[in-house]
Amino acid sequence: AQTVTQSQPEMSVQEAETVTLSCTYDTSESDYYLFWYKQPPSRQMILVIRQEAYKQQNATENRFSVNFQKAAKSFSLKISDSQLGDAAMYFCARTSGNTPLVFGKGTRLSVIA
Amino acid sequence: KAGVTQTPRYLIKTRGQQVTLSCSPISGHRSVSWYQQTPGQGLQFLFEYFSETQRNKGNFPGRFSGRQFSNSRSEMNVSTLELGDSALYLCASSLPQRQRGGLNEQFFGPGTRLTVL
Repeated sequence: AQTVTQSQPEMSVQEAETVTLSCTYDTSESDYYLFWYKQPPSRQMILVIRQEAYKQQNATENRFSVNFQKAAKSFSLKISDSQLGDAAMYFCARTSGNTPLVFGKGTRLSVIA
Repeated sequence: KAGVTQTPRYLIKTRGQQVTLSCSPISGHRSVSWYQQTPGQGLQFLFEYFSETQRNKGNFPGRFSGRQFSNSRSEMNVSTLELGDSALYLCASSLPQRQRGGLNEQFFGPGTRLTVL
């Protein structure tokens, strides 16, 4: 089974600080897509950032950036200048494009004022 | 543009009953996927529909079924409910996936919280 592993069930960060969430995955494919989704307590899942495996450049979306290490099959999410609204469950996911999303178990991020 | 809507938002059933959940995708989206979310198992893929055809199916028993209508709205049905079916059921819609180059984002609905007593 092609799995996605998030080794940190819970993380906390002080407001305005930086936090990194870890994700590793298993795949035999050379072409695939990786995602970080955010699920706030209201439960609506939203896409935070995405990375195409064929792109060497790490994706960035405002305060959110990834560290994509293809050889190590690692895809971590860095949140800079953390805000109270960043508190949520964060899920790492992957797909080959024609296959369903496979999610990690999630990391619950708390932001401390 | 309205987002993905799911009805009902909350549902309480008893063991042995059956339930139908509904999902209305974003206008123009023809692909609908369903996921089950539980604290123990996380998010697990149930099935995907595109143009009224099931395109992918997850590893769930036959009690779980779904369908898609010509307007892309989708329903999932769970028959003979078990306690373990208590979960948040999420629906996601997207534009049809391109054959090459790029991937259309999935947009999630708020979910239906099903409690089986």
